[in-house]
Amino acid sequence: EAGVAQSPRYKIIEKRQSVAFWCNPISGHATLYWYQQILGQGPKLLIQFQNNGVVDDSQLPKDRFSAERLKGVDSTLKIQPAKLEDSAVYLCASSRQGTLGANVLTFGAGSRLTVL
Amino acid sequence: KQEVTQIPAALSVPEGENLVLNCSFTDSAIYNLQWFRQDPGKGLTSLLLIQSSQREQTSGRLNASLDKSSGRSTLYIAASQPGDSATYLCAGLGGSQGNLIFGKGTKLSVKP
Repeated sequence: EAGVAQSPRYKIIEKRQSVAFWCNPISGHATLYWYQQILGQGPKLLIQFQNNGVVDDSQLPKDRFSAERLKGVDSTLKIQPAKLEDSAVYLCASSRQGTLGANVLTFGAGSRLTVL
Repeated sequence: KQEVTQIPAALSVPEGENLVLNCSFTDSAIYNLQWFRQDPGKGLTSLLLIQSSQREQTSGRLNASLDKSSGRSTLYIAASQPGDSATYLCAGLGGSQGNLIFGKGTKLSVKP
């Protein structure tokens, strides 16, 4: 099966500019996640969708970050305005809907953001 | 709040050695414990998943164990190879919606 697709792979912007990342999950995967991975740290969950509904966005900085998953398939993550500390890799992952114990996440290659 | 810690942060070994990577977590109420591999500039590749009712899982030269009572998991790599060089991350799946909490990872370097 095709993997999780993300674009762009790399993006360089200046602070206060805006940026958007796109994710296409594995076909049939109901759950979609966006993670932020700062250099030297483990990924941190930003937002989790179940189909097109948000189930957890407690760690999403809502004053500047937004995400949507229209029609329960593709998703976009937007940052506006960007800050220096937003420099990170943004990882998208998806998983099938099923028992949580067997829930395996498949990750995309990530989108690396550099804010100057 | 779940916290996941990985020790050591970095490890360098000669080819052929057996090695153990450690992971500890503070909240034992997890559905599963997962180990991932991350190569530079790449996403995460799932290696092993241990469900909360299981004690260990094996895949090839990799063996992962889970002890929920002590809040620990270990990843054992047998006969290490230079191709094993990568960062290894463990993550616990918990919460009402299945939130995956990651450690910071162990960067492994296997020297030829």
